[in-house]
Amino acid sequence: DIQMTQSPSSLSASVGDRVTITCRASQGISKYLAWYQQKAGNVPQLLIYGASTLQSGVPSRFSGSGSGTDFTLTISSLQPEDVATYYCQKYNSAPLTFGGGTKVGIK
Amino acid sequence: EVQLVQSGAEVKKPGESLRISCKGSGYKFTSYWISWVRQMPGKGLEWMARIDPSDSYTTYSPSFQGHVTISADESINTAYLQWSSLRASDSAMFYCAVEYNSLSLEYWGQGTPVTVSS
Repeated sequence: DIQMTQSPSSLSASVGDRVTITCRASQGISKYLAWYQQKAGNVPQLLIYGASTLQSGVPSRFSGSGSGTDFTLTISSLQPEDVATYYCQKYNSAPLTFGGGTKVGIK
Repeated sequence: EVQLVQSGAEVKKPGESLRISCKGSGYKFTSYWISWVRQMPGKGLEWMARIDPSDSYTTYSPSFQGHVTISADESINTAYLQWSSLRASDSAMFYCAVEYNSLSLEYWGQGTPVTVSS
């Protein structure tokens, strides 16, 4: 089965900073990659699908890129409300494996 | 509006059986796969299994195959996750989610916390 590896596992940045999270698949998955945001105590929410398509209602400071095995999630200007754990997930075929998560905090 | 409403919190003893539910509304239930996701306390998301409600075709993660069973009843737009013999290590939050138009987990239920303790 394809493994999904996220890095870093946690990061802390200042408000306004550009933040980048990477996700690597152990085999190619084309663009079948989604990103989710989970705030503490809340249900995960879809941010990006198709590696780069922003889900409706998601702020434009979020963006995604990549295809094949290497993907990134970028927050162009970190805001206090972006404090959360972010997960990537492959969905080209089952099992729909998640990455281990990246916890984003504010310095 | 697409909604998934899950059954309430459960407290069980090891060895007991359990079935939790996920009722879909606001969309054609049989047109989209439903997945189940586990989140153990303080840990990440783990994809468990998915079901096609139109024919009940299922796929399981190797990590969960044989320990849980998923099913669906299209007549009442409800999917289920069940255990025949719970373990303490099954204590977690369980989410259902529908693989909607984006094919990813676009809509999620509110979660069902399960506690297994003697």
